[in-house]
Amino acid sequence: DARVTQTPRHKVTEMGQEVTMRCQPILGHNTVFWYRQTMMQGLELLAYFRNRAPLDDSGMPKDRFSAEMPDATLATLKIQPSEPRDSAVYFCASGPTLSDTQYFGPGTRLTVL
Amino acid sequence: SQKIEQNSEALNIQEGKTATLTCNYTNYSPAYLQWYRQDPGRGPVFLLLIRENEKEKRKERLKVTFDTTLKQSLFHITASQPADSATYLCALGAGNTPLVFGKGTRLSVIA
Repeated sequence: DARVTQTPRHKVTEMGQEVTMRCQPILGHNTVFWYRQTMMQGLELLAYFRNRAPLDDSGMPKDRFSAEMPDATLATLKIQPSEPRDSAVYFCASGPTLSDTQYFGPGTRLTVL
Repeated sequence: SQKIEQNSEALNIQEGKTATLTCNYTNYSPAYLQWYRQDPGRGPVFLLLIRENEKEKRKERLKVTFDTTLKQSLFHITASQPADSATYLCALGAGNTPLVFGKGTRLSVIA
């Protein structure tokens, strides 16, 4: 049963530290999304890729966030430096196309102290 | 700007009754609408998709309607069970753009 995997599942760090979250999309899906979920804002789209090329990252703070896809089996989201307001659950999702059904990973729960 | 509203943050319902969740949108012309279920500590899971030219879609105890004139979708769970308790998210899609998600409605089915 193909599924999206994310690591780590939980991360607690101190303000100012670098955080790297990893995602393995479903094989064959050419579109990968990064979301952030909080109680206040719901699910926010941070960035997305098609065929490993970044299409849009306007949803994330450019000065501290970066998203990459070094290869078809790995997507990364980095925060440097992290701040307490970055505390949230970060989801990766993949899909066959940009507008198709999305398959979500289990999420990374980030706490920045 | 695009806006999606799901009728309430939380909905409590008695077991066996029909739960009805609402998704309204403005400043958007979606080609289709999707509903997802999210359990605590997990990512959303796709349930149903309905296209703009479809009035209704069913899957087991689930029924979705889509009214492009009212700019609204209704999501029904008939004969609700405690296991149906979760957060339900609607998402709109159009053309070659990513889905836009609502904030969700947390459904609690009380035995």
